[in-house]
Amino acid sequence: DIQMTQSPSSLSASVGDRVTITCRASQSTSRHLNWYQQKPGKAPKLLIYVASTLQSGVPSRFSGSGSGTDFTLTISSLQPEDFATYYCQQSYSLPWTFGQGTKVEIK
Amino acid sequence: EVQLLESGGDFVQPGGSLRLSCAASGFTFSTYAMNWARQAPGKGLEWVSGISGNGVSTYYADSVKGRFIISRDNSKNTLYLQMNSLRAEDTAVYYCAKSRLGPDAFDIWGQGTMVTVS
Repeated sequence: DIQMTQSPSSLSASVGDRVTITCRASQSTSRHLNWYQQKPGKAPKLLIYVASTLQSGVPSRFSGSGSGTDFTLTISSLQPEDFATYYCQQSYSLPWTFGQGTKVEIK
Repeated sequence: EVQLLESGGDFVQPGGSLRLSCAASGFTFSTYAMNWARQAPGKGLEWVSGISGNGVSTYYADSVKGRFIISRDNSKNTLYLQMNSLRAEDTAVYYCAKSRLGPDAFDIWGQGTMVTVS
């Protein structure tokens, strides 16, 4: 199975900050890497697929990059509604696996 | 509106069985692969099982292989998860999730249904 490791596990940031979350795969996933946002008590929401393609309706302040084993999710200017937990997920080989999550909290 | 609505979650004793359902609406159900994922209390996400649009191909995480069965009824736009030999570690919120066409990602999620094994 491909193991996904996110860093950091949590971070504190202020509104307007630029935030970067990293996801590393235990082996290459090419560009088959997706990012999700989850708010407490809610279902996850797809933000980005195939590493850098923004899902319809997702604000352009979210962006993704990377290929192979190293990927990044960037929020260019953090907004109040962005405080949530973010997960990466590989869709290169079954079983699909998720990172452990990165909780973005208000500083 | 594209929507997924899970049902069937409950309290069950270890060794028991439960069947979850996921009713889909707002899209051509038979076109898309579907999945179950779960989240234990306070923990991260875990993919559990997937099924192709025509129901022919099924896939499972090792943690549930041999105990859970995924199926679908395209005439009823409904996805199922039959859960047998339940264990305490199966306690979680179970989500159904639609796969997008092309490179796989879960683009639509249901609201989840809670399964407690105790």
